[in-house]
Amino acid sequence: AQSVAQPEDQVNVAEGNPLTVKCTYSVSGNPYLFWYVQYPNRGLQFLLKYITGDNLVKGSYGFEAEFNKSQTSFHLKKPSALVSDSALYFCAVRDMGQAGTALIFGKGTTLSVSS
Amino acid sequence: DTEVTQTPKHLVMGMTNKKSLKCEQHMGHRAMYWYKQKAKKPPELMFVYSYEKLSINESVPSRFSPECPNSSLLNLHLHALQPEDSALYLCASSPTLAQNYNEQFFGPGTRLTVL
Repeated sequence: AQSVAQPEDQVNVAEGNPLTVKCTYSVSGNPYLFWYVQYPNRGLQFLLKYITGDNLVKGSYGFEAEFNKSQTSFHLKKPSALVSDSALYFCAVRDMGQAGTALIFGKGTTLSVSS
Repeated sequence: DTEVTQTPKHLVMGMTNKKSLKCEQHMGHRAMYWYKQKAKKPPELMFVYSYEKLSINESVPSRFSPECPNSSLLNLHLHALQPEDSALYLCASSPTLAQNYNEQFFGPGTRLTVL
């Protein structure tokens, strides 16, 4: 069965500091991995995805994520956090070998950036 | 046009009412999704349409009835809802259901309150 774990309910970071939001996954085959962000009372916005190739993926708003197959992780990072990055972040996975299946979301991590 | 639109933004209904939520996209996507999201929780998949046919129904109660009249439009008909159905209802679309590597594009959601 596919699953995604986001071990932290909340991450607090000061503006200008680097941030990391953690994600680990479990699939039977190879994964497609996604990060979405949700601002209050809004829908989800796509940030970035890993399909294949380079393990470091760059996305929107200066975010990047590193795919680590041995650790089954796909942590989201940003070198310098902004107050406007404060939001709810979801990691999601699909199994490459199971076409037409649902996107599996983690429980979400609230990022709070203080000024 | 890379937008998914949803109407209405907010809806308050009684338990005996009948109402409908509407979702529209003009990106040529052939997979469309309904999700239910409670506060600070991940979206829960309800239904998936692929090429206007219902492909996934995640055991949703019959008081929720989806409809896909054409490739751009997705409706969710509501009847005899319960207070616990109050949530943010999100619509999403992607190019196809089978191509697991595609991200989903989410609408802003309809905030539903059942009294």
